[in-house]
Amino acid sequence: KAGVTQTPRYLIKTRGQQVTLSCSPISGHRSVSWYQQTPGQGLQFLFEYFSETQRNKGNFPGRFSGRQFSNSRSEMNVSTLELGDSALYLCASSYTGQLNEKLFFGSGTQLSVL
Amino acid sequence: AQSVSQHNHHVILSEAASLELGCNYSYGGTVNLFWYVQYPGQHLQLLLKYFSGDPLVKGIKGFEAEFIKSKFSFNLRKPSVQWSDTAEYFCAGHSGAGSYQLTFGKGTKLSVIP
Repeated sequence: KAGVTQTPRYLIKTRGQQVTLSCSPISGHRSVSWYQQTPGQGLQFLFEYFSETQRNKGNFPGRFSGRQFSNSRSEMNVSTLELGDSALYLCASSYTGQLNEKLFFGSGTQLSVL
Repeated sequence: AQSVSQHNHHVILSEAASLELGCNYSYGGTVNLFWYVQYPGQHLQLLLKYFSGDPLVKGIKGFEAEFIKSKFSFNLRKPSVQWSDTAEYFCAGHSGAGSYQLTFGKGTKLSVIP
């Protein structure tokens, strides 16, 4: 069974640009969540989707958005990039996102904003 | 606000030494707690989880954790570490019913010296 796939693996952008990151969950998983990982802040929750609906959003500005498609694949978008957006963006999937479920993480997309 | 804190930023041990990594949480009500591990170059993966019942939880690779409600703690332990345990360890908790996000501690980097 294939794991969680995130593309691209690396991205370099400049301030003011926008970026779209993609996540394909494990087959059968309908919950997809996104986390931002930085050395200073650790992992911070961005948002969670289930059946194309956003159920939770973390404390990030509106420049961070996401969506989920009918096949459970998800994308996140960051508009008007800032230097502080440089981070590893992790996607995780589970069957339903319930409290007792294990999350399966992808390898992440490393975003560098210059 | 719910939070998870990890006491140690970086721990250095020799092989065969015993390990204890501290984790404290601040949640009211039911708690669901996890330890995830990130080996160098690999994705985050679940070590163990606690939902209810026996407060001593056993996970993979000889790790265990004890949930002590009175101390709001969920410390990770291993009696004898190996070089292959070198990794970053993250404690995480669920924010309660109706939430689909994990709150992570900032992580503890463990270096095991052969």
